[in-house]
Amino acid sequence: EDQVTQSPEALRLQEGESSSLNCSYTVSGLRGLFWYRQDPGKGPEFLFTLYSAGEEKEKERLKATLTKKESFLHITAPKPEDSATYLCAVQAGTGNQFYFGTGTSLTVIP
Amino acid sequence: NAGVTQTPKFQVLKTGQSMTLQCAQDMNHEYMSWYRQDPGMGLRLIHYSVGAGITDQGEVPNGYNVSRSTTEDFPLRLLSAAPSQTSVYFCASRIAGVSGELFFGEGSRLTVL
Repeated sequence: EDQVTQSPEALRLQEGESSSLNCSYTVSGLRGLFWYRQDPGKGPEFLFTLYSAGEEKEKERLKATLTKKESFLHITAPKPEDSATYLCAVQAGTGNQFYFGTGTSLTVIP
Repeated sequence: NAGVTQTPKFQVLKTGQSMTLQCAQDMNHEYMSWYRQDPGMGLRLIHYSVGAGITDQGEVPNGYNVSRSTTEDFPLRLLSAAPSQTSVYFCASRIAGVSGELFFGEGSRLTVL
C-alpha cells in the first residue's frame, strides 16, 4: 500500500535555530516527491519537486533532499514568517494520484 | 492570473441537503482533482479528471459526484450531505503528463449539521 509519513507532527524553533523535517514514503513507481507549504485557512502552496534519489533543491532558507525511501526539508536560520504547516506528497503509478502526508506544523519563535 | 478559484469559501448544510462546490482554473490544465482535508488525515483524493468528459474515482469517492464538461470547470456535487462530509475541500489542477506539481485553490469549508 502506498504510504507517506511525516515527522515530527509539530516543531517549535527559536528564530535562527536550524532543523529538518522528514518525509518517508513507500510507493510503487515514484513519479515525483513534492513539498508544499500551507498557511492557516489557505490552500497548499508548491515549494519543490524532486524526481530521483540524490536530487536537491533550494529556495531561500529551505533545502529539500531525496533518497530512495525518504525526503528531508532542511530549514536554515528560520524566521517567524516560515511558520506554517509543511506537507509532503508523492506521485506514483500512472501519475494521476497523489498521496499526502499529514504534515509538520512549524512554529518559529522570535 | 487567477489560478484555481473555488466557491463558496464557507457553507453550512443540513443532513440530506444537496449542494455543488465550484472549481474553475484559467491555466489550461488538463488534470483537475478534488481533495478533502480532515484533522490528522491529510489530504485525500476524492475524484479526478484528466480532460473534458473523463473522470475517475480517487481514495474516498463515496457520496460525491463529478463531471467535466469543459477544460476550465470541475464541480463537485454532494447529493445528500452527511455529517461525515464536514471537511475542508480543495480543488487542484496540473498540466497533462505523468508528472507535475498540483496547484491548489483556497479551499471550501463545509459543515453538515
